Amino acid sequence: AQTVTQSQPEMSVQEAETVTLSCTYDTSENNYYLFWYKQPPSRQMILVIRQEAYKQQNATENRFSVNFQKAAKSFSLKISDSQLGDTAMYFCAFNGGSEKLVFGKGTKLTVNP
Amino acid sequence: EAGVTQFPSHSVIEKGQTVTLRCDPISGHDNLYWYRRVMGKEIKFLLHFVKESKQDESGMPNNRFLAERTGGTYSTLKVQPAELEDSGVYFCASSQDSRRGVTETQYFGPGTRLLVL
Repeated sequence: AQTVTQSQPEMSVQEAETVTLSCTYDTSENNYYLFWYKQPPSRQMILVIRQEAYKQQNATENRFSVNFQKAAKSFSLKISDSQLGDTAMYFCAFNGGSEKLVFGKGTKLTVNP
Repeated sequence: EAGVTQFPSHSVIEKGQTVTLRCDPISGHDNLYWYRRVMGKEIKFLLHFVKESKQDESGMPNNRFLAERTGGTYSTLKVQPAELEDSGVYFCASSQDSRRGVTETQYFGPGTRLLVL
């Protein structure tokens, strides 16, 4: 069975600084998809970034980028120039092609002014 | 374009009562998913509809949970009778019809917070 581990239950960062959230996963699949979702306080969960395992290039979306290490089964999220609006729960998720997402427990990120 | 909506946003019921949660997916999305997050734990998959058909219901906890998607539009998830351990946040997500070999992104609703006393 696939599993996703987020080892940092909580993190904090100063506004404008850079922070990296870690995520590791376990699977025997070769083709799969990885996602980072963000859920701000009392708001909807939204997609931050997605990565296809067959792509070697790391995905980037504005200030958000990933470090995808397929051999190490690692998928960390880097947030550059952190903003107050980045305060949220961040969930790492895996999809091995069965359509259902497997989630980690989440990391609560607080951006301090 | 409207996103995934869920109703109600919160529900507080007593053990033994019945609760029905509703999800309206993004218009045109054939895939609809239900997930649940029990406090302090991972978000767990419950089931997946393709249009009106149940594609995968391997995550449904037991037969007290019944999901329907009549007509392939909105979906309901009924819990009857509710137990204390059913408390949590129930998320609905939808995605477009999957292209061959490509997994489509799932878009989530705001969730329904269920508290069973």
